[in-house]
Amino acid sequence: AQSVAQPEDQVNVAEGNPLTVKCTYSVSGNPYLFWYVQYPNRGLQFLLKYITGDNLVKGSYGFEAEFNKSQTSFHLKKPSALVSDSALYFCAVRDIPKAAGNKLTFGGGTRVLVKP
Amino acid sequence: NAGVTQTPKFRVLKTGQSMTLLCAQDMNHEYMYWYRQDPGMGLRLIHYSVGEGTTAKGEVPDGYNVSRLKKQNFLLGLESAAPSQTSVYFCASSRGRAPDGYTFGSGTRLTVV
Repeated sequence: AQSVAQPEDQVNVAEGNPLTVKCTYSVSGNPYLFWYVQYPNRGLQFLLKYITGDNLVKGSYGFEAEFNKSQTSFHLKKPSALVSDSALYFCAVRDIPKAAGNKLTFGGGTRVLVKP
Repeated sequence: NAGVTQTPKFRVLKTGQSMTLLCAQDMNHEYMYWYRQDPGMGLRLIHYSVGEGTTAKGEVPDGYNVSRLKKQNFLLGLESAAPSQTSVYFCASSRGRAPDGYTFGSGTRLTVV
């Protein structure tokens, strides 16, 4: 079975400081990994994904994530946070090729609050 | 380009009532999904479909039924609503076996009183 853990319910950071949102996963095969962001009263928006290749993946709005196979982690990072980055962030995993129907399993979400 | 459209956006039901949530996508995606989002629990998969005329159970299927009569539409039904089904429901779609993520709708907020 595939699973995802986001150990922090909330992350607080000052504007301009680095932002990190943690994610660890468990799969029996190789993973596809995703980050999504959800703004209030909106659906989830795709930020970035890891499929294969370079362990550092760059995505939308200046976000990046680093895939670490030995630590089974896929932490989301942004060098300099903005107040507008305040939102709910979800990590998701798909177990290749065992996940029938291309099913993604989502973590519980991490709320990011960027203070001016 | 509408993407994934969910209707209605809000609904209040009385216990025991029934309703259907509609999801429509215009991207010609093969796979479609229904998730529910509850505080602290992330998104949990209710049902999914890998093509027209097919459906399968997800993680939390009890109390829900689905149908995919047309490729572009995926309907989620509640036959007898219960307060435990108060949630935000999201529909999503994907191309299929390709290593893509999902495209999500904007959600339906359902309250069962």
